[in-house]
Amino acid sequence: DTEVTQTPKHLVMGMTNKKSLKCEQHMGHRAMYWYKQKAKKPPELMFVYSYEKLSINESVPSRFSPECPNSSLLNLHLHALQPEDSALYLCASSLIEGSETQYFGPGTRLLVL
Amino acid sequence: GENVEQHPSTLSVQEGDSAVIKCTYSDSASNYFPWYKQELGKGPQLIIDIRSNVGEKKDQRIAVTLNKTAKHFSLHITETQPEDSAVYFCAASGFGNEKLTFGTGTRLTIIP
Repeated sequence: DTEVTQTPKHLVMGMTNKKSLKCEQHMGHRAMYWYKQKAKKPPELMFVYSYEKLSINESVPSRFSPECPNSSLLNLHLHALQPEDSALYLCASSLIEGSETQYFGPGTRLLVL
Repeated sequence: GENVEQHPSTLSVQEGDSAVIKCTYSDSASNYFPWYKQELGKGPQLIIDIRSNVGEKKDQRIAVTLNKTAKHFSLHITETQPEDSAVYFCAASGFGNEKLTFGTGTRLTIIP
């Protein structure tokens, strides 16, 4: 099973709201990733967690706050977002960090009004 | 850092014909090259990957070739079908580079 699940599928939020995106995998992978994808563009890396510790933060604004409660779960907390943050947010996982196969979830389509 | 270029950006192919998408990379330390297919409204799906100790890999109608000397790799899809229509991304990563660097994508349209 190479499934990564993400909830919710769609999210609409105002600029003053606080919301969270959730990602889950049960493949025993120890690296998990958040990507942001704008229309007609490739995914852009935001964060990498390796063994539940933040390994990479690609200079993402603090209004995005990642959390890895355990090896199977990854959250992305959203606060005071801007309309330009509207995008598809993708979670991925791999066995370990590095040149390993990454499996992507279906994404959360976020619209910020 | 790594830079991956992908061509063409759009490709239309008659059903049953072959499609070829090409990528070049800049970092000679890269050693892992996956290809992802992304259908509308979905996340990228890994379709095939290759490591630098292998020159070619096939999986049914899909094949990937790697030329380490020239630093380019290609995706070949034979006997194309309407369900092959999607956006395809190549990517590269390697030792000392934890990140997966993506190409800019190719929108493949199969004409029935």
